[in-house]
Amino acid sequence: GEDVEQSLFLSVREGDSSVINCTYTDSSSTYLYWYKQEPGAGLQLLTYIFSNMDMKQDQRLTVLLNKKDKHLSLRIADTQTGDSAIYFCAEEAGGYNKLIFGAGTRLAVHP
Amino acid sequence: EPEVTQTPSHQVTQMGQEVILRCVPISNHLYFYWYRQILGQKVEFLVSFYNNEISEKSEIFDDQFSVERPDGSNFTLKIRSTKLEDSAMYFCASSEREAFFGQGTRLTVV
Repeated sequence: GEDVEQSLFLSVREGDSSVINCTYTDSSSTYLYWYKQEPGAGLQLLTYIFSNMDMKQDQRLTVLLNKKDKHLSLRIADTQTGDSAIYFCAEEAGGYNKLIFGAGTRLAVHP
Repeated sequence: EPEVTQTPSHQVTQMGQEVILRCVPISNHLYFYWYRQILGQKVEFLVSFYNNEISEKSEIFDDQFSVERPDGSNFTLKIRSTKLEDSAMYFCASSEREAFFGQGTRLTVV
């Protein structure tokens, strides 16, 4: 069945770039998403990419999609302490906004 | 900025009791969803709803679960007879295209 895998933890220094990686299994996924969850909060949509694109940039965020390898990444430039959160990768698989989520990557930003 | 609103934020209930989780989706959205996240596990799809009917549901969404849009603004998830394993964070979402999620309701079944 469909599955999404992410590394569980990433630690970066403030001001550096963060790269969070994700792999997915459903090659028919049309949309892939990144959500952010801060402590005690809900899932905030950060950005998404349509499957016919290989890159999308939105201010400090860059999403790269490698369809051949089913690999998605989120790059955060100039990472700030406010970026500390859990980042979820999700693929839309088999149904409209039927999202399959990864386990989430906890990003820790230190001075 | 429009947002999805869920109430209550926390709900404690006794096993076997019925609970209703409430959601107010973003007003011009037509598609509605429920997801859940058991502590320490992945966020899981439960059900999607469009045009006053369920469009898709997962294996988790058995006969104990139901959804309803009782009026023009609310979207509810009912669990008829709660079990301990229903304890989780329940997220409502709505969309035109990409899904926007609420803050979640933490349900604890004791």
